[in-house]
Amino acid sequence: EIVMTQSPATLSASLGGRVTLSCRASQSVSNNLAWFQQKPGQAPRLLFYGASTRVTGIPLRFSGSGAGTEFTLTISSLQSEDFAVYYCQQYHKWPPITFGQGTRLEIK
Amino acid sequence: QVQLVESGGRVVKPGRSLRLSCTASGFSFRDYGMHWLRQAPGKGLEWVAVIALDGTNDFYADSVKGRFTISRDNSNNTLYLQMDVLRAEDTAIYYCAKGPTIPDHWGPGTLVTVSS
Repeated sequence: EIVMTQSPATLSASLGGRVTLSCRASQSVSNNLAWFQQKPGQAPRLLFYGASTRVTGIPLRFSGSGAGTEFTLTISSLQSEDFAVYYCQQYHKWPPITFGQGTRLEIK
Repeated sequence: QVQLVESGGRVVKPGRSLRLSCTASGFSFRDYGMHWLRQAPGKGLEWVAVIALDGTNDFYADSVKGRFTISRDNSNNTLYLQMDVLRAEDTAIYYCAKGPTIPDHWGPGTLVTVSS
């Protein structure tokens, strides 16, 4: 099973700021990585697949990058609606599909 | 647009059974593999099971293998999760999601609480 590790667990940032969230895989997943956003009381929403392909409707201030074992999600010009929990998920070798433990992005 | 709505969650005693349903609309259900995933209170996301578009293949997380069964009715656009021998650690919000690989659309979830 491929283990996904996200860092940091919690990230504090200011409105208008820029953040980078990290995700590491225990072995190469090529670019078979997705990012999800989850707000309180809501289901997760897919943001990116293929590590860097933005889903329709996701703002351009979100960007994804990486390949192999190291991936990042960058959010620039933070808006209030961006404060949420973010999960990475690999689909390179499955089942099982595996998720990182999540990064909580909170307002400083 | 894709819509998924789960139902069937409730409070159940340990060792008992429960069946969840997920009704799909807005896409051709029979053309996609489907997932169940769950999220324990205050915890992260856990994949539970997946079923092929025609129901011929299914796979499970080790934590539920032998206790849970995923199935589907393509004539009624409905996905099921039969959960047997429930344990306290199965307490979670259960989500269905459209596949086949990436869970790209999720329902709002249904809460299952296993408690005596």
